[in-house]
Amino acid sequence: EAEVAQSPRYKITEKSQAVAFWCDPISGHATLYWYRQILGQGPELLVQFQDESVVDDSQLPKDRFSAERLKGVDSTLKIQPAELGDSAMYLCASSLSQGNTEAFFGQGTRLTVV
Amino acid sequence: AQRVTQPEKLLSVFKGAPVELKCNYSYSGSPELFWYVQYSRQRLQLLLRHISRESIKGFTADLNKGETSFHLKKPFAQEEDSAMYYCALKPIGGNNRLAFGKGNQVVVIP
Repeated sequence: EAEVAQSPRYKITEKSQAVAFWCDPISGHATLYWYRQILGQGPELLVQFQDESVVDDSQLPKDRFSAERLKGVDSTLKIQPAELGDSAMYLCASSLSQGNTEAFFGQGTRLTVV
Repeated sequence: AQRVTQPEKLLSVFKGAPVELKCNYSYSGSPELFWYVQYSRQRLQLLLRHISRESIKGFTADLNKGETSFHLKKPFAQEEDSAMYYCALKPIGGNNRLAFGKGNQVVVIP
């Protein structure tokens, strides 16, 4: 069964360092989402791609966060510099299209900033 | 902007007792509503969506537009239902943003 792949599963980094997360969506899925989930809260959308284009990054802290999906397939989310408050689970999800289709989630990357 | 509210953080029920998880939403347009579930050490996955109008693992949820609610119900809880449950909303024909509530942790006591 096809799944969304994310790496690494866990990341510990010092504050002010750069960190990057990678996501490989299910093959053929045009829409890709990055969510941040702080402990005890629901997932919060950071950025949404349709193919290689960003369609929603209104909640992305652009002074330190960036995301790209250059070929419209896999995606990278970067934080530079990391801050203590960035400690969270970072989830990637994909869906077939922007229409009302199911979103499939990856296992997530647990980031701890020390 | 869409908003999803799940008022209870933790719900403990005995096996065989009914379960109801409340979800209220605010959105000015037409929404599609979902319930997602995350079992221990597993990824977040779709449980059910309102347009399907089906029962999954004994769970049902009815969209009540008048009360802007999409409560999740199961008449007889099972131990394997222990998990985190998230209500989510996506606008129909809108920005396609999938917005989540804060989640409910359900613990089924044997």
